[in-house]
Amino acid sequence: SQQGEEDPQALSIQEGENATMNCSYKTSINNLQWYRQNSGRGLVHLILIRSNEREKHSGRLRVTLDTSKKSSSLLITASRAADTASYFCATVSYGNNRLAFGKGNQVVVIP
Amino acid sequence: SAVISQKPSRDICQRGTSLTIQCQVDSQVTMMFWYRQQPGQSLTLIATANQGSEATYESGFVIDKFPISRPNLTFSTLTVSNMSPEDSSIYLCSAVGAREGEGYTFGSGTRLTVV
Repeated sequence: SQQGEEDPQALSIQEGENATMNCSYKTSINNLQWYRQNSGRGLVHLILIRSNEREKHSGRLRVTLDTSKKSSSLLITASRAADTASYFCATVSYGNNRLAFGKGNQVVVIP
Repeated sequence: SAVISQKPSRDICQRGTSLTIQCQVDSQVTMMFWYRQQPGQSLTLIATANQGSEATYESGFVIDKFPISRPNLTFSTLTVSNMSPEDSSIYLCSAVGAREGEGYTFGSGTRLTVV
């Protein structure tokens, strides 16, 4: 049940730079979430944005949501080597609690 | 948020055998989910496990291959049956956060290699 789809680019950036990832989806959603995964381990929830929200911040993270374009972006500011990971967006549709994941973006932050 | 303990963390199994993966949650959760993540891929939902009823499987996944138990609100198991090398993946369990806006909690994953 793939829903969210990110641009499948791998990002390689220098420490201190900003990293931006995009995600698109196909159907109406209740909310969209971003997760981080380090080295094929468990996922860590980063941020959730509801369908009636347009922007949300959490620490160095900024998420935007454009429901008219069915797209979202995740910005990590002032990146650190510890931000090196895979980042996934996932959507939850109305009427069910199932997360539908996109392809994921591999981000490498070079010290 | 809830914490999920998943085990085993990894295993190497012979083809034709079965492996049972366990997830223990430190609080009661209504819904739990099982995902498969093939090498270099995203997560694919296998099934939703509800306490007191049969699991609901996604298209392409069947109970005979991936039987699931959910005996109470804090525990679930997934069995990968009659394994073949194509079953080599990471398997993850997940639970819905208890509070609004909390997101989902994931176990640390089971890296399965079938030889």
